[in-house]
Amino acid sequence: AQKITQTQPGMFVQEKEAVTLDCTYDTSDQSYGLFWYKQPSSGEMIFLIYQGSYDEQNATEGRYSLNFQKARKSANLVISASQLGDSAMYFCAMSGAGTASKLTFGTGTRLQVTL
Amino acid sequence: GAVVSQHPSWVICKSGTSVKIECRSLDFQATTMFWYRQFPKQSLMLMATSNEGSKATYEQGVEKDKFLINHASLTLSTLTVTSAHPEDSSFYICSARGLYYGYTFGSGTRLTVV
Repeated sequence: AQKITQTQPGMFVQEKEAVTLDCTYDTSDQSYGLFWYKQPSSGEMIFLIYQGSYDEQNATEGRYSLNFQKARKSANLVISASQLGDSAMYFCAMSGAGTASKLTFGTGTRLQVTL
Repeated sequence: GAVVSQHPSWVICKSGTSVKIECRSLDFQATTMFWYRQFPKQSLMLMATSNEGSKATYEQGVEKDKFLINHASLTLSTLTVTSAHPEDSSFYICSARGLYYGYTFGSGTRLTVV
């Protein structure tokens, strides 16, 4: 069984600062994927970044980067130069191999960006 | 990019009635559809997984007779909440996956049962 743990229920960050959202995972699969999603108050799930278990380089997408430490089973999201629009709920998720593999979500971290 | 259209965005229904939620993949073939439920301030909980043309696989604790899932074509999946009750009020969201696509989410449906 796969498990995702997000230990930060809420985080505050000042505008233009960087913030790290923690995520640890547990799986017995050799092949898996790690995802981060942003969920604003509207409810939509916005895909941010993906890291495959065999990817040797950390994934980056604009202001988002994923700090992947396989031995520690962690996949932290780093948001650089925070903006007010980054205030939202952030979910870490993982999938197994195969197109029918489900996404398992963590409990989420609510990020609040302040002036 | 891949788009999944989910309707309705919100619905209010009377207790005891049924509600149907649709998810359509607009520009790709969704071989697998996932249906999630999310209560306020909680995470997404998987309800069921459906593959086109097959019966849905429900997660433990999800009543298959209450939450009917149909995935009759590669572009359409529906979730019907039968005999809805106030405790079924929640946010329901679908996620579609195609052969060469990642997980694409619909915009979600807020169901309120009164």
